[in-house]
Amino acid sequence: GAGVSQSPSNKVTEKGKDVELRCDPISGHTALYWYRQSLGQGLEFLIYFQGNSAPDKSGLPSDRFSAERTGGSVSTLTIQRTQQEDSAVYLCASSQTGIYGYTFGSGTRLTVV
Amino acid sequence: AQRVTQPEKLLSVFKGAPVELKCNYSYSGSPELFWYVQYSRQRLQLLLRHISRESIKGFTADLNKGETSFHLKKPFAQEEDSAMYYCALIGETSGSRLTFGEGTQLTVNP
Repeated sequence: GAGVSQSPSNKVTEKGKDVELRCDPISGHTALYWYRQSLGQGLEFLIYFQGNSAPDKSGLPSDRFSAERTGGSVSTLTIQRTQQEDSAVYLCASSQTGIYGYTFGSGTRLTVV
Repeated sequence: AQRVTQPEKLLSVFKGAPVELKCNYSYSGSPELFWYVQYSRQRLQLLLRHISRESIKGFTADLNKGETSFHLKKPFAQEEDSAMYYCALIGETSGSRLTFGEGTQLTVNP
């Protein structure tokens, strides 16, 4: 596609439920990144994919968070047993090579009530 | 460890005034540095990157390795420059992972 696409754009869920967030990167971009943007917290790195493998998942805050990427394309970020502190905007980005910068999606705003 | 610091969370200037958004970094090697911008209700987008030595929308940024800084400057601010600005770096060993500062909210008043 022309840009990085994320869905849903907004998600309201009850505490304790599981959620799945989807990212569709730019075609041909081998690298894919997930970040979390919280008010007053800036941009927090979560996980990075090169192809289908995740060489760096050091930013995942707990074992309730997981992510996968299939076919070197679409990625899904799953949060199990959501907590209120998970409320944030989850951003996905893709790139061909990181040193030339990323292209970001518009994000998924997650609200846990 | 790599770290990016943007000391000002909020910055307010008048239209036509010069503006400088500060960015300091901590990294032992040779990083690549970037500025990203997020306008209201828009997605985060790349403004400029050190590797390209470019000027975008009148903004420039010079890497000062001695002071480990990458400040963003514009000689005459415009109202449409009002946005959140993030400084970021990629280190040689970070596998193309971007580390961001906490951002500076710039407001340009008429």
